Amino acid sequence: ERQLLESGGGLVQPGGSLRLSCAASGFTFSSYAMNWVRQAPGKGLEWVSAISGAGGITYYADSVKGRFTISRDNSQDTLYLQMHSLRAEDTAVYFCSKDIYDSSGYYFDLWGQGTLVTVSS
Amino acid sequence: DIQMTQSPSTLSASVGDRVTITCRASQSISNWLAWYQQKPGKGPKLLIYKASTLESGVPSRFSGSGSGTKFTLTISSLQPDDFATYYCQQYNTYWTFGQGTKVEVK
Repeated sequence: ERQLLESGGGLVQPGGSLRLSCAASGFTFSSYAMNWVRQAPGKGLEWVSAISGAGGITYYADSVKGRFTISRDNSQDTLYLQMHSLRAEDTAVYFCSKDIYDSSGYYFDLWGQGTLVTVSS
Repeated sequence: DIQMTQSPSTLSASVGDRVTITCRASQSISNWLAWYQQKPGKGPKLLIYKASTLESGVPSRFSGSGSGTKFTLTISSLQPDDFATYYCQQYNTYWTFGQGTKVEVK
């Protein structure tokens, strides 16, 4: 069964750092691009960052550019999100998601359950 | 940036009802649109991609239509398991989501 399992969330003070992890199983991890998407409490979904299958190409939303870094370890089937200079507005549940490509482009066919990040003093 | 606007924000319906949710893009996205279902405490689940293609395993009561800037998700006969929040997503240029439509019990 294909599965994504996030971890690493928690309470952090403004200006602090946190690293999220997403463990993948049930598919060939290195063959697929991956993403982080977040959801503030009671709000909608916001795409945060994407990384290619080999890890050489990355994309970021303007709201996190320069503060967050996406990476992956294909030998460990794990996706990461390193977050620095955290702000209250970064408080959210963070989901990892798997890309799938067809002739129409890249969309997300598998999601994890999410991990909660709370930025507060 | 491409903005996605869903309507309504909340929809009250009963089991057996036909339900339609609309999603509009701020510019043409061809058919590069997906629909997701999310239940409380869970990650989203892919329902439809390429505007109208049903994901494997998704019941046939779900259907999608549209192209360009206007899209719809229809549930032909609402079932108890369908009470959830639904999001559209454009993947023409990066990825942006609509604000969501909560389908609740009438």
